[in-house]
Amino acid sequence: EAQVTQNPRYLITVTGKKLTVTCSQNMNHEYMSWYRQDPGLGLRQIYYSMNVEVTDKGDVPEGYKVSRKEKRNFPLILESPSPNQTSLYFCASSLGLAVIGETQYFGPGTRLLVL
Amino acid sequence: AQSVTQLGSHVSVSEGALVLLRCNYSSSVPPYLFWYVQYPNQGLQLLLKYTSAATLVKGINGFEAEFKKSETSFHLTKPSAHMSDAAEYFCAVSIQGAQKLVFGQGTRLTINP
Repeated sequence: EAQVTQNPRYLITVTGKKLTVTCSQNMNHEYMSWYRQDPGLGLRQIYYSMNVEVTDKGDVPEGYKVSRKEKRNFPLILESPSPNQTSLYFCASSLGLAVIGETQYFGPGTRLLVL
Repeated sequence: AQSVTQLGSHVSVSEGALVLLRCNYSSSVPPYLFWYVQYPNQGLQLLLKYTSAATLVKGINGFEAEFKKSETSFHLTKPSAHMSDAAEYFCAVSIQGAQKLVFGQGTRLTINP
């Protein structure tokens, strides 16, 4: 089954404790992206990747890191989480460039609470 | 810069009634427009998209949307609401060179029996 998977689905952590949220897609997609969803703000892009070893900042990159060592994986790293990073996170992928109207496929989401 | 405004953070309709969710965009160049739906505790799923072909776009589950350039709108409609349509709906826009989708704030649709 073609899908985007994320782990963990739920995570409670404390301020300053490094964490990684994994994202994997099995569709051989070039483009991958991370979003955070907050009430009243919709989804905002954190980072995106056009291909292996090619990543760039989105609209809200502060406090986050990403890497793209393999085409299928795009982990999101919070080196020192803070309470304002409490949010619902989505990973997405698409076949080619999102700008040409390609459909993005979303993972199920990771709900993060930072105490 | 492009942006998307969804009018109404909450919309409530009766089962069988018309569903109308409003989306207006701002873009200086022709956009690509999307509607996504998010069911409780799930990721986003594409309902339909406009990519400069027909201005009336039909999607899944009986939804459709009409691109109106003169009004910079892409409103989502469904003639008859069903209980299973209860979800949050997001309008999004992308343009050449932006490398991302820009989402609206979302509209939560409630269906009353």
